[in-house]
Amino acid sequence: GAVVSQHPSRVICKSGTSVKIECRSLDFQATTMFWYRQFPKKSLMLMATSNEGSKATYEQGVEKDKFLINHASLTLSTLTVTSAHPEDSSFYICSARDRSGWGANEQFFGPGTRLTVL
Amino acid sequence: GEDVEQSLFLSVREGDSSVINCTYTDSSSTYLYWYKQEPGAGLQLLTYIFSNMDMKQDQRLTVLLNKKDKHLSLRIADTQTGDSAIYFCAEPSGGYNKLIFGAGTRLAVHP
Repeated sequence: GAVVSQHPSRVICKSGTSVKIECRSLDFQATTMFWYRQFPKKSLMLMATSNEGSKATYEQGVEKDKFLINHASLTLSTLTVTSAHPEDSSFYICSARDRSGWGANEQFFGPGTRLTVL
Repeated sequence: GEDVEQSLFLSVREGDSSVINCTYTDSSSTYLYWYKQEPGAGLQLLTYIFSNMDMKQDQRLTVLLNKKDKHLSLRIADTQTGDSAIYFCAEPSGGYNKLIFGAGTRLAVHP
């Protein structure tokens, strides 16, 4: 149980285009999903917290107009990188918290999406 | 703000024990977590410890928590080549329980 999928796993796009990444909780409902960005050999940086049915909460320094987040259902959150540039190339990882989860509040992570902007 | 620190690299011989250390800053954390990341993959929750515990053992994994020093460690007994990965410690933060991660410790296991 507690599987989170991401699609696509890898995407290459041209500079100036927009890319949508999907994060799905496959066997549980997630009121809260998180989007992280990981730079090579670095830790995960939380970008935003996505709440079902409401606006996402962005971390300081993350442009909300650049990284659009939609959490339209209890099993799906999407991250759209708008007008992508080479500096947006990174590994994007989502995680989901089970709404029925007990105290550990553990997050279940997706496998990540490697974005390369040419 | 919260900060989690880890040593960046550890090399061990197959069969030996590995000890990965972490320090954190938020003394109010209810849980502390260890995640494992294999190359090109997402994070897998390895284990966690509740803040009122000093130790937790789960098969080959032993977690030690020193609340006074805000120090967390993960010991892997009989380390195998399949244990080669990056290990992240994390503490929750904020109302949504978002996680603050350390930089990750890259564990290399050699014959």
